[in-house]
Amino acid sequence: GAVVSQHPSRVICKSGTSVKIECRSLDFQATTMFWYRQFPKQSLMLMATSNEGSKATYEQGVEKDKFLINHASLTLSTLTVTSAHPEDSSFYICSARNAFSSTEAFFGQGTRLTVV
Amino acid sequence: RKEVEQDPGPFNVPEGATVAFNCTYSNSASQSFFWYRQDCRKEPKLLMSVYSSGNEDGRFTAQLNRASQYISLLIRDSKLSDSATYLCVVHTGGFKTIFGAGTRLFVKA
Repeated sequence: GAVVSQHPSRVICKSGTSVKIECRSLDFQATTMFWYRQFPKQSLMLMATSNEGSKATYEQGVEKDKFLINHASLTLSTLTVTSAHPEDSSFYICSARNAFSSTEAFFGQGTRLTVV
Repeated sequence: RKEVEQDPGPFNVPEGATVAFNCTYSNSASQSFFWYRQDCRKEPKLLMSVYSSGNEDGRFTAQLNRASQYISLLIRDSKLSDSATYLCVVHTGGFKTIFGAGTRLFVKA
């Protein structure tokens, strides 16, 4: 089936630095990708919707200047956590839907971010 | 009100038990419905789609009631390997996907 690749799977960074997470759809075009965050023992929370060639749409309470999203091609979206703080430590997952053939959402493997 | 609400759980059941999860959604224009399974520290995986006519996949049965905006998942003859978090997922318009908070299931020997 369709595959979404997310990289890196795990990252540890120092407080104040920035971290970039990549999400690629490997065998289909995804005009729209989604970024989620999941804190321990909590549900997946939609952070933003990434639209190819246009600005991302952020959910209420998500700082767009802190979580920069770029969706420059039909197969790649990136999430950059800027000036990371320990409270940003979380599990970040992207998903994509094949715009032309499927309603199923395919997920990346997730990125576990630890800010120290 | 949350867009997608699920039983809070956790459900602790013995092997062989039958367990049912419920989910309600608020957007009557929602288009597609799914149950996903998420194991600890892993990404969600599609378990099954949900249709108004009901669908069954082995020990799993899913049902959708559009009039009540209600989705259910029934697991029969629970196995230890069924222990996971089950997520009710709704696709609204514009390819937006909304997840329920998830229900944890623990199946014990």
